[in-house]
Amino acid sequence: GAGVSQSPRYKVAKRGQDVALRCDPISGHVSLFWYQQALGQGPEFLTYFQNEAQLDKSGLPSDRFFAERPEGSVSTLKIQRTQQEDSAVYLCASSQRQVRTKNIQYFGAGTRLSVL
Amino acid sequence: LAKTTQPISMDSYEGQEVNITCSHNNIATNDYITWYQQFPSQGPRFIIQGYKTKVTNEVASLFIPADRKSSTLSLPRVSLSDTAVYYCLADEAAGNKLTFGGGTRVLVKP
Repeated sequence: GAGVSQSPRYKVAKRGQDVALRCDPISGHVSLFWYQQALGQGPEFLTYFQNEAQLDKSGLPSDRFFAERPEGSVSTLKIQRTQQEDSAVYLCASSQRQVRTKNIQYFGAGTRLSVL
Repeated sequence: LAKTTQPISMDSYEGQEVNITCSHNNIATNDYITWYQQFPSQGPRFIIQGYKTKVTNEVASLFIPADRKSSTLSLPRVSLSDTAVYYCLADEAAGNKLTFGGGTRVLVKP
């Protein structure tokens, strides 16, 4: 596709439910990133994949958060036993990872998660 | 933590030039200055990037003095559609993540 696609755009979950958020990166982009954006704040890094390898998961807030990219393309961010503090917009970004691109990332529109 | 500091908000009027200054006193030699723009209900969008001196593209100009302790994003002749949050970032060119601060909310008035 032309850009990064995320689904669903909106997700409402009851506290304790598990959710799965999908990201389709730009075709051919090696790197994929997940960010969490709370209302009124800038995005915060969660995790990074290079192809199928998860090279950095230092930003994941707890072991309830899990991300995967099994075939090096589509990625899923899973949140188990959701809590109200998980309510945020979850952004996915992809990058070509070539020197000339200098870490320029292309973002999807995000998934807005509301935990009731 | 973000390495940059920028004003929380700025107001402007259509047709004016908007200049947003970002402070980054402790950036590393390998860091590039990058600006992203974010509209409501959308992800951030890359605007411009530079290392030092001046960079210009079809959207904006970026001025980075030799000491690299600050930089200024210049938006010429803004329109209402330029109302957005603008983020100044300082990250390694070969880095694996972007570090956002709080951004500057720019409101363009008619």
